[in-house]
Amino acid sequence: GDSVTQMEGPVTLSEEAFLTINCTYTATGYPSLFWYVQYPGEGLQLLLKATKADDKGSNKGFEATYRKETTSFHLEKGSVQVSDSAVYFCALTTGGGNKLTFGTGTQLKVEL
Amino acid sequence: EAQVTQNPRYLITVTGKKLTVTCSQNMNHEYMSWYRQDPGLGLRQIYYSMNVEVTDKGDVPEGYKVSRKEKRNFPLILESPSPNQTSLYFCASSLTGDWSPLHFGNGTRLTVT
Repeated sequence: GDSVTQMEGPVTLSEEAFLTINCTYTATGYPSLFWYVQYPGEGLQLLLKATKADDKGSNKGFEATYRKETTSFHLEKGSVQVSDSAVYFCALTTGGGNKLTFGTGTQLKVEL
Repeated sequence: EAQVTQNPRYLITVTGKKLTVTCSQNMNHEYMSWYRQDPGLGLRQIYYSMNVEVTDKGDVPEGYKVSRKEKRNFPLILESPSPNQTSLYFCASSLTGDWSPLHFGNGTRLTVT
């Protein structure tokens, strides 16, 4: 079945540091890939997505590129802020019922 | 404001006492779904609904029921809760059942003692 593997957290960075959160996947067919973010006490929000190989999703300074050859969708940001502190989830869907398969989440803490 | 509303936000109950968690969306979305979030396991789908009167099991449906009598509402029912259903629950909706982004509610933290 489909699965998503994320790097374990928590990840603690200083403000303005470079962020990478690794995500790899296994899936049948050609999945769409997503990053969702969960701020404390809230539900998940879509951060960015990519629907086919070599697509780059971007939003709020975050980027991720759909790499079919390495089955990866790593999340990056050049300069993190304290307000980026949250839990980040990598997810995929192969369509049909819009079922998302989530990774376990990576907690990011950004300090001044 | 477009949103998915869950109630209650927090619920503590005892084993075997039936409960319902409500979910409502105001975006005229066809698709709705329930997930549970547990540490180290991420989110797992419980049930989903592609449209009114159409529901289907997700990955972890045991011990749960749902209904979709109206487009906007998708309640989650625990007929006889057990401690292993202690979790954080999220309702989500999307415009259609394929590929469109999910909108999540703020969650319901359930504790079963």
